[in-house]
Amino acid sequence: DAGVIQSPRHEVTEMGQEVTLRCKPISGHNSLFWYRQTMMRGLELLIYFNNNVPIDDSGMPEDRFSAKMPNASFSTLKIQPSEPRDSAVYFCASSLVEMGTDTQYFGPGTRLTVL
Amino acid sequence: GNSVTQMEGPVTLSEEAFLTINCTYTATGYPSLFWYVQYPGEGLQLLLKATKADDKGSNKGFEATYRKETTSFHLEKGSVQVSDSAVYFCALSEGDTGFQKLVFGTGTRLLVSP
Repeated sequence: DAGVIQSPRHEVTEMGQEVTLRCKPISGHNSLFWYRQTMMRGLELLIYFNNNVPIDDSGMPEDRFSAKMPNASFSTLKIQPSEPRDSAVYFCASSLVEMGTDTQYFGPGTRLTVL
Repeated sequence: GNSVTQMEGPVTLSEEAFLTINCTYTATGYPSLFWYVQYPGEGLQLLLKATKADDKGSNKGFEATYRKETTSFHLEKGSVQVSDSAVYFCALSEGDTGFQKLVFGTGTRLLVSP
């Protein structure tokens, strides 16, 4: 299996521009998570989906952030408009929900720089 | 709410030294516990996990035991290598089965010198 795939790996944009991050989870997984990692705040869960339905978006920082999962093999995280404080590494992770514990598998991340 | 506390880093060791990274947690119920590792420029990878009290997770020479009485899940390795240099995250699962999410600690950076 190819693992969780994220694109782009690096994104540099200017303040006010729209940014779209993409994620392809591991085939067969039914939960998907978006995280943000910064030096100041560490690893933060932004939103997670189960069977393509958003379950908990309490970590989404503000209305400028939105996430969608139109099907089991694709998700996007959009920031509009972007601000310099959004600069971070954004990770996508997926898991297969079963009875018991769910192991999350992380993608390589997208490093976002907003100038 | 649930939380995970890890020791501050960086932890600096010489090759072949013994490693301990402390992790304690606060949780309602009986969460599963995890250690993830992040190598430079990469995403997090599961290192080991334990699902109930007294379970020992182990992988690649690392091990950790789920201690309910002390609410701890300390990571240990008997002899570290330079290639173990990375950031290590302790985490617990919360939520109902089927809707679980992970709560991560702040991470501990390990630096191993030759």
